Amino acid sequence: GIQVEQSPPDLILQEGANSTLRCNFSDSVNNLQWFHQNPWGQLINLFYIPSGTKQNGRLSATTVATERYSLLYISSSQTTDSGVYFCAVLTGANSKLTFGKGITLSVRP
Amino acid sequence: DAMVIQNPRYQVTQFGKPVTLSCSQTLNHNVMYWYQQKSSQAPKLLFHYYDKDFNNEADTPDNFQSRRPNTSFCFLDIRSPGLGDAAMYLCATSRDPGTSGGANEQFFGPGTRLTVL
Repeated sequence: GIQVEQSPPDLILQEGANSTLRCNFSDSVNNLQWFHQNPWGQLINLFYIPSGTKQNGRLSATTVATERYSLLYISSSQTTDSGVYFCAVLTGANSKLTFGKGITLSVRP
Repeated sequence: DAMVIQNPRYQVTQFGKPVTLSCSQTLNHNVMYWYQQKSSQAPKLLFHYYDKDFNNEADTPDNFQSRRPNTSFCFLDIRSPGLGDAAMYLCATSRDPGTSGGANEQFFGPGTRLTVL
């Protein structure tokens, strides 16, 4: 099956700093989603981005499908950005979202 | 607002005592999924319904069952919970995973955190 790797596994930032989170995947995909899992466990949809670039406030994402990677950019980080960020992909072969292991982000005041 | 709702948010059960978790959606999506997420791990798909068609993952234990009485509701039944079943259970929906474009985007509910005593 498809492999999804996220890096770095852990990230500590000072409030106001910028960061880039990476997701590599091993096969072509029909769907790539970025999620933020908050401290209460809810998975919040950040981006649906199988290709191209999108922006939403301080967050933006780019997926280069031909090179099989996606990047999530967080600018001017805030303490509320803390949590786990998951990248998940869906291939044409089945309905199953395959998740990476997640990136744990801690933003310190 | 259209959404995915899970009840209860927290559930405590005893070892071996059957428990049912519920999920409802106002998105009118064809597909409903149940994921299990253990501490510090990624969500793991247990099974999904495409309309009334049930699709079980090969490694989902028989202890886990599901029902979808109508488009809006889906239930997860754990027949005899063990200590290893303590986890967050996440319900998700999508319109059509077999297509490209936004129809295969998945939306998650807030989850039910299950404790087994």
